[in-house]
Amino acid sequence: SQTIHQWPATLVQPVGSPLSLECTVEGTSNPNLYWYRQAAGRGLQLLFYSVGIGQISSEVPQNLSASRPQDRQFILSSKKLLLSDSGFYLCAWSVKRESEKLFFGSGTQLSVL
Amino acid sequence: SQQGEEDPQALSIQEGENATMNCSYKTSINNLQWYRQNSGRGLVHLILIRSNEREKHSGRLRVTLDTSKKSSSLLITASRAADTASYFCARGVTGRRALTFGSGTRLQVQP
Repeated sequence: SQTIHQWPATLVQPVGSPLSLECTVEGTSNPNLYWYRQAAGRGLQLLFYSVGIGQISSEVPQNLSASRPQDRQFILSSKKLLLSDSGFYLCAWSVKRESEKLFFGSGTQLSVL
Repeated sequence: SQQGEEDPQALSIQEGENATMNCSYKTSINNLQWYRQNSGRGLVHLILIRSNEREKHSGRLRVTLDTSKKSSSLLITASRAADTASYFCARGVTGRRALTFGSGTRLQVQP
């Protein structure tokens, strides 16, 4: 069966520090991968998605970047965090068909202080 | 904006009652999905309804879709305290790989 791992679960970082969140998927190959962000009590905002190794599409211009160095690995990064980067970050995967259902990781709660 | 609205934003009911949540959207869709999120956790897929379907059932869940009104509803029958969570609708749009999520309905089921 397929599983998705996302870590860390919580992270407290000072403003200006770098960020690296990692997500890996097991039990499937060539998935679509996604990073979403959720502000407290709000809906999900799509940040990045990837249809293959090295292929990243950015939805919102911001202080973050994403990379997909391996088929089932998706990394969210920042060189210098801002206060506004605080939020709940969710990784998800789907099969290759368009608009199919998403399988989410357990999320990372990021607090930038 | 492609984002729609969920209504109500919050809902509090007693155990055993039915809970109805609504989702409206603006653009044409090829499917609409409902997800559940327990506090501080990832989202879990509940049900997907395609644009050519009008109603779908899964256990205690019933989803309807009215493409002429660009709206969907999620009905949870005989609610339980364990149904307490936030519920989100997500739209699948032709030509767009990622889903667009609404702002969610926070459901509280009182035991």
